[in-house]
Amino acid sequence: AQSVAQPEDQVNVAEGNPLTVKCTYSVSGNPYLFWYVQYPNRGLQFLLKYITGDNLVKGSYGFEAEFNKSQTSFHLKKPSALVSDSALYFCAREGSSNTGKLIFGQGTTLQVKP
Amino acid sequence: EAGVAQSPRYKIIEKRQSVAFWCNPISGHATLYWYQQILGQGPKLLIQFQNNGVVDDSQLPKDRFSAERLKGVDSTLKIQPAKLEDSAVYLCASSSIAGPRNEQFFGPGTRLTVL
Repeated sequence: AQSVAQPEDQVNVAEGNPLTVKCTYSVSGNPYLFWYVQYPNRGLQFLLKYITGDNLVKGSYGFEAEFNKSQTSFHLKKPSALVSDSALYFCAREGSSNTGKLIFGQGTTLQVKP
Repeated sequence: EAGVAQSPRYKIIEKRQSVAFWCNPISGHATLYWYQQILGQGPKLLIQFQNNGVVDDSQLPKDRFSAERLKGVDSTLKIQPAKLEDSAVYLCASSSIAGPRNEQFFGPGTRLTVL
């Protein structure tokens, strides 16, 4: 069965430093991969997606993600973190049914300190 | 463009009671999803509608959960009777058409506490 793993429960970075939030996915079919962000008491907001093509995907708010097929990874990155980036981040992949169903990782809390 | 609307935002009930959640998707979005997000976990799909038909309800506990999408627009998710383990945030999402290329837009969620 398809699955997504986010190995870190929390990532702490200082404002202005680069950040990376890790994600790995199970190898099965063509992986359509997504990143969503969740702020307190709000729904998930779409950041970016990888369908095909360039391995480096650029998304909202200066975030980008790198698709690495050999390492089955899709890490989220940002060159310079902001305090306002502090939130809960979810990696997700398309399920096997090709219906749009998303399978989410358990989430990583990003804490950016001034 | 108005986003996905959900109500109520918060609900507290006792076990064995019933509860219903309402979702209004973005206008024109044919696909509607209900996810359950337990604290510390990622959202898990409960049911997916395409217009008013069910596409996937494989993870819906059908002995206590039910959902409908009358006229292919609004949707209601019901739990009867509720159990302690149903405490979670219930998220509704919609997309213009089903498939991996289409972004899902999420509502703010309904936080359910079962005592």
